[in-house]
Amino acid sequence: EPEVTQTPSHQVTQMGQEVILRCVPISNHLYFYWYRQILGQKVEFLVSFYNNEISEKSEIFDDQFSVERPDGSNFTLKIRSTKLEDSAMYFCATQTPYRNNEQFFGPGTRLTVL
Amino acid sequence: KQEVTQIPAALSVPEGENLVLNCSFTDSAIYNLQWFRQDPGKGLTSLLLIQSSQREQTSGRLNASLDKSSGRSTLYIAASQPGDSATYLCALLNSGYSTLTFGKGTMLLVSP
Repeated sequence: EPEVTQTPSHQVTQMGQEVILRCVPISNHLYFYWYRQILGQKVEFLVSFYNNEISEKSEIFDDQFSVERPDGSNFTLKIRSTKLEDSAMYFCATQTPYRNNEQFFGPGTRLTVL
Repeated sequence: KQEVTQIPAALSVPEGENLVLNCSFTDSAIYNLQWFRQDPGKGLTSLLLIQSSQREQTSGRLNASLDKSSGRSTLYIAASQPGDSATYLCALLNSGYSTLTFGKGTMLLVSP
């Protein structure tokens, strides 16, 4: 079965640096999401993306965050100036209406901000 | 705002036991409900999806039920095995939205 893939699996960065997390969605899926999970806490929604634009975003998704689909296959999350509290597991998810809107998650990128 | 609660937070059982994990939610206007499995430090694996019009779904030893009127879902695991040890997450897709709201999960440990 096709899978969502994410790179890198682990990213360590210094506070204030920019990071880009990458996701390759399942082919033919049209809806893309980023979620994050701070250690020991719930999985939280960040942003959803459809038809090359943001469709929804949470209050977490401030001006430091951006998403894009640069080449029609990858889906990226950029954090411009990382903070210590950005340390978390970041999950990409994709969805198709043809599977009852089931969301499929990637393996995640563990971001550690020092 | 949808709130999702999972009880218990942790559960330890001997191998072979049947067990039930609980999920409750405050807003019954849901489109579907998904149960996920998460292994330590890993991603989320979708186990079962129940549409709002359905009462239950089954996959192998797993059975998930949904009672929208009472705001509850249960995940039943039959004949538990050590390989079932993981955290189980309940997540809801609200009608009119495209985002999932997650519970905090139940950490299950099945001992041999």
